[in-house]
Amino acid sequence: AQKITQTQPGMFVQEKEAVTLDCTYDTSDPSYGLFWYKQPSSGEMIFLIYQGSYDQQNATEGRYSLNFQKARKSANLVISASQLGDSAMYFCAMREGWYTGNQFYFGTGTSLTVIP
Amino acid sequence: EAGVTQFPSHSVIEKGQTVTLRCDPISGHDNLYWYRRVMGKEIKFLLHFVKESKQDESGMPNNRFLAERTGGTYSTLKVQPAELEDSGVYFCASRMGPINEQFFGPGTRLTVL
Repeated sequence: AQKITQTQPGMFVQEKEAVTLDCTYDTSDPSYGLFWYKQPSSGEMIFLIYQGSYDQQNATEGRYSLNFQKARKSANLVISASQLGDSAMYFCAMREGWYTGNQFYFGTGTSLTVIP
Repeated sequence: EAGVTQFPSHSVIEKGQTVTLRCDPISGHDNLYWYRRVMGKEIKFLLHFVKESKQDESGMPNNRFLAERTGGTYSTLKVQPAELEDSGVYFCASRMGPINEQFFGPGTRLTVL
């Protein structure tokens, strides 16, 4: 079974609007970490935000926030006030277990296009 | 500070040939990972080094793939002989100590004809 599911292959958003990119995960381990990465056309994967399974509050980093709903096993990325530079591929990832060295499991990604 | 670098950025080879990909992690990062993304699919883990030791190589698809990390610095991933299904983008990532996030390089796009 897929450990990370991203059901939106492509999304469009108007500039300055907010957008939510969906991510659901599957694990039976009580300790895990959730990550979002951005991959612009240049190819490099840029780390955006991290949420630990025991974190009580949703993670935020500037215009990025992670809507963490543990019972539903979802970790949606919310981008507020979209900018043209936000157009990119976005990947959700999970690390299972407490050990920070464990591998990441990735979803298939969501391609976001910001329309002027 | 320089990020993770990978060389080459693109490689086109014929089936049966050998290719070696190189990754230079961020200086001081003792953890190094290789991942691969086959067209349209998810990015999948290949292996994990801690310094020069292989911590986890459970994702390596078969014995045609050989990864090394000499002296705990840069790493190479050799595919010999390459097959058509090896085509994809190979990403390298590095991480320091107890830090959660992995820092990724731009990837090497490998095409096997």
